[in-house]
Amino acid sequence: KNEVEQSPQNLTAQEGEFITINCSYSVGISALHWLQQHPGGGIVSLFMLSSGKKKHGRLIATINIQEKHSSLHITASHPRDSAVYICAVRSRSNYQLIWGAGTKLIIKP
Amino acid sequence: SQTIHQWPATLVQPVGSPLSLECTVEGTSNPNLYWYRQAAGRGLQLLFYSVGIGQISSEVPQNLSASRPQDRQFILSSKKLLLSDSGFYLCAWSVEGGTEAFFGQGTRLTVV
Repeated sequence: KNEVEQSPQNLTAQEGEFITINCSYSVGISALHWLQQHPGGGIVSLFMLSSGKKKHGRLIATINIQEKHSSLHITASHPRDSAVYICAVRSRSNYQLIWGAGTKLIIKP
Repeated sequence: SQTIHQWPATLVQPVGSPLSLECTVEGTSNPNLYWYRQAAGRGLQLLFYSVGIGQISSEVPQNLSASRPQDRQFILSSKKLLLSDSGFYLCAWSVEGGTEAFFGQGTRLTVV
């Protein structure tokens, strides 16, 4: 079993829908990152969380440390949100980054 | 401010040719540096990490090597590329014991 699991692996939705991507992890962490990878490969760091909730524009990220779970939400989704969303956790024991496999999101107009 | 530069963004190389990808960090000193690779359809995998100049740890034995000639410079190399080296390569850095990590834009390598 991977130490970081993302779900779903693939998600297709219509423009305007509310999107939720989940990330569960099994190790103790010091931080969790959400990143966005565009079709060309470029990576953008969206959020770094160690507790609670963060919001940036239409993106919201939450983390529950006790349940070892984080969610990334996109409100009023748009075709330009189409990308791969990756969850990565920073291990508290060795400070290495452990990556999820990513969620491929397609938003149809 | 803290920034990370990784180049080139895309690269097409023939089989058997050498490779050199460079990553440099600004705005910090003595960072931990990382090289990751993402093969097609898969998650990012740690290749190398470095906690200081000349100190390289390899996570996965392969056709690649890494070097850290300066505190804020991390280089990924290969003497002879294989088709299987194609993928997306990402450089990142963090501070020892810290929570934040910073990511380069990545390099998409296609070996033909």
